[in-house]
Order: sequence, then C-alpha cells, then structure tokens
Amino acid sequence: GDSVTQMEGPVTLSEEAFLTINCTYTATGYPSLFWYVQYPGEGLQLLLKATKADDKGSNKGFEATYRKETTSFHLEKGSVQVSDSAVYFCALSLSNDYKLSFGAGTTVTVRA
Amino acid sequence: DAGVIQSPRHEVTEMGQEVTLRCKPISGHDYLFWYRQTMMRGLELLIYFNNNVPIDDSGMPEDRFSAKMPNASFSTLKIQPSEPRDSAVYFCASRQGSAGELFFGEGSRLTVL
Repeated sequence: GDSVTQMEGPVTLSEEAFLTINCTYTATGYPSLFWYVQYPGEGLQLLLKATKADDKGSNKGFEATYRKETTSFHLEKGSVQVSDSAVYFCALSLSNDYKLSFGAGTTVTVRA
Repeated sequence: DAGVIQSPRHEVTEMGQEVTLRCKPISGHDYLFWYRQTMMRGLELLIYFNNNVPIDDSGMPEDRFSAKMPNASFSTLKIQPSEPRDSAVYFCASRQGSAGELFFGEGSRLTVL
C-alpha cells in the first residue's frame, strides 16, 4: 500500500547544527508530500508541503524537495534552534484518496 | 477562528467503562478525521467524514469503537467497553476540501486502567 518511511530517532543536536530527516515514500500514483511538526503537548501542524516532482516546500528555515527519481522528501534545516525540538512527521496523500498517511515520526531534541 | 477543539484533554477511566471523546471542527471545514497516536503504532487513521457522512472507517479497530457526526460542528468517538490497550492520544483534525491543509486539535489523552 501507499506509505512513507522516515528516519528513526531520536535525534539530538546542538544549537546551530545542520538537521536532516530522511523520508522515502511508496505510492501507486503521484502523491502530495508533507512534513508536519508536533511540539510537546500539542497537535500536529503543517510545516511544509510539495504537490509535484521537483517542488520545494519551505517554512521557518526548513526545506524539503520532492524527488521522484529517488521517491524521497528529506527535511533539512541549516541551523537549528532549541525551539525546533519536536516530533517531525512525513506524510503523503494521493489525489484520489483524501486520507493522509503518516510516517512513524522522528523526535528531534536541540540542546543549547 | 479557535481551531479544532477537543474535549476532554485528559481522561482516566477504568476498564469496562464507556468513553466519549468530542470534537468541534473549524467552521466551514467539510472533512473531519479521527486519529489515534501511540508509541508502538504511531499515528493511525481511525475514520473520516465528508459533509457529516462517514467515508472510510476501515481503521476503526473493533466494534467497541464507534464515531458519529450528527452535524457539521460536532463529532464524537465512543469506546464501549474500554480496555487498557485503548490508552492513547486521540486526535481530531479537519480540513476544507479534498486538498486543503489538515488542522489538528490538541488531542485527548486517554488512560484506561
């Protein structure tokens, strides 16, 4: 079935370090891809998205590029802050299926 | 807008009791989703509605689980009888249209003793 696989955590970084969280997908069609973030005690929030191949989504210093050739949507940030500590979820949806399928989530902790 | 509102935020109950979780979606949103989050299984879609009609309930784990959406501004997820393995955080989310951003509530943390 259609699914996403993301890098297992937890990931611990120092402030200003470079962050990468890998995400690959399996889909029968042409999915839209998303990254959601969950801060402690809160619900998930959309961080960024890309709807077609080669699109780059960006928000709050985070970026991810939709790579059809490698079926990937890796999340990157060049310089993390303590406030970026959260759980990050990769997700996909197909145009003919209104559900979002989420990855397992990656816990990121940024230390001052 | 106040966002997706869920209640209760926390619920502790004993095995065998009935549990009702409530959700108020964002006004104007025509899709509503119920998710369950556990450490072991991550985020699982339980059921979703479009215009108050259940579209896909294949994720509902057992007959003990039921969900309703009597109108556009209210949905419930009921567990009867509850079991310890139902302990999880239950999220409600809503969306406008088939491709819009999904907005999540803050979740209802359920503990079944």
